[in-house]
Amino acid sequence: ILNVEQSPQSLHVQEGDSTNFTCSFPSSNFYALHWYRWETAKSPEALFVMTLNGDEKKKGRISATLNTKEGYSYLYIKGSQPEDSATYLCAPLYNTDKLIFGTGTRLQVFP
Amino acid sequence: NAGVMQNPRHLVRRRGQEARLRCSPMKGHSHVYWYRQLPEEGLKFMVYLQKENIIDESGMPKERFSAEFPKEGPSILRIQQVVRGDSAAYFCASSPLRQPLNNEQFFGPGTRLTVL
Repeated sequence: ILNVEQSPQSLHVQEGDSTNFTCSFPSSNFYALHWYRWETAKSPEALFVMTLNGDEKKKGRISATLNTKEGYSYLYIKGSQPEDSATYLCAPLYNTDKLIFGTGTRLQVFP
Repeated sequence: NAGVMQNPRHLVRRRGQEARLRCSPMKGHSHVYWYRQLPEEGLKFMVYLQKENIIDESGMPKERFSAEFPKEGPSILRIQQVVRGDSAAYFCASSPLRQPLNNEQFFGPGTRLTVL
């Protein structure tokens, strides 16, 4: 059973704070890492797909890095806003067709 | 371009009844994935289908659960003789190409199944 860990489980920050969370995953047979953003009562929405060691992707105030050798990825949010409040899921893909989702980091940004 | 559609959004069944969950992928997508989210748990893969083929059903319970994606029409996840433990949110996702070409999966809004 592949174990994907995300930390912290939940995070409360003030508007304007920058924050980051971690996704750890087994690195054997790794193929790609997906990050999703999941707002309450909505569908998970893809943020990034990363494949190469050292990959760094950015979308607005959100960025992510990937270390495939040691099996981790960081997601950063600069200057958090209330609309960033959501659960952030990571999901590595191995040499199969299925994504293995972590349990997510629940972010709440207070105005 | 409509997104992934799932219906019904909410489904209530009594123990022993059948539940049918439907998923219409995005236009042009021929790959469908079903996931289940049990209370207080994350998304768990159930099954991956292409048109008329089950590619990977390693996450499906061995009994009572089945899935299909016919040539025409939506993908169906069928749960026979439901039990209370089947109560969960069931999400469908679609992609245009087969993994592992790194295509993101587009998720539907989910069907929340409640078994009384």
